[in-house]
Amino acid sequence: DVKVTQSSRYLVKRTGEKVFLECVQDMDHENMFWYRQDPGLGLRLIYFSYDVKMKEKGDIPEGYSVSREKKERFSLILESASTNQTSMYLCASSLSGSGGLEQYFGPGTRLTVT
Amino acid sequence: DQQVKQNSPSLSVQEGRISILNCDYTNSMFDYFLWYKKYPAEGPTFLISISSIKDKNEDGRFTVFLNKSAKHLSLHIVPSQPGDSAVYFCAASGKGGSQGNLIFGKGTKLSVKP
Repeated sequence: DVKVTQSSRYLVKRTGEKVFLECVQDMDHENMFWYRQDPGLGLRLIYFSYDVKMKEKGDIPEGYSVSREKKERFSLILESASTNQTSMYLCASSLSGSGGLEQYFGPGTRLTVT
Repeated sequence: DQQVKQNSPSLSVQEGRISILNCDYTNSMFDYFLWYKKYPAEGPTFLISISSIKDKNEDGRFTVFLNKSAKHLSLHIVPSQPGDSAVYFCAASGKGGSQGNLIFGKGTKLSVKP
């Protein structure tokens, strides 16, 4: 059974703080993704990674960066948190190639920036 | 510009009746479609998928129909149960997108009344 874990379920940070969200998957998946979910906007892709040290911008990368030093771990970094980054953050992973279309999601981190 | 559209933000159905959730797409290069289910404070979970070479796929109470000419797919849940109450996301992938990427709709909130 694929397991994707995220470091925190709930997080409260102050404006201007640097925030780290960690994601770990245990199925040796090549692809990892970070999304944010907001009411009425669905799931929006922030960044994704096909391999260690590889990263690609998604639809809304502004204000975020990522790090993938190990295959199982993908970190999302908010360099200077702002109130408009209050959201539910979801990490996902998938296999590469033709078997990689189904993404497995973690439980999410509800981030509040005050 | 939305490539995957779920035009109904919400749907209410009586227990035991059929739930029909709709999804439209604009990119004819999409060749694989998925439905995810999401409960509050949890990550999305994969429900059912369909390849563009098929027009129907069934899994228990869940059936997905694909109409390629209309660029439309639908998820049927029969019979609906109160535990089906959740947000349902339609997603698409294909040659038009990057490797492994899914394009999500904004979701439809299904409420099944006892």
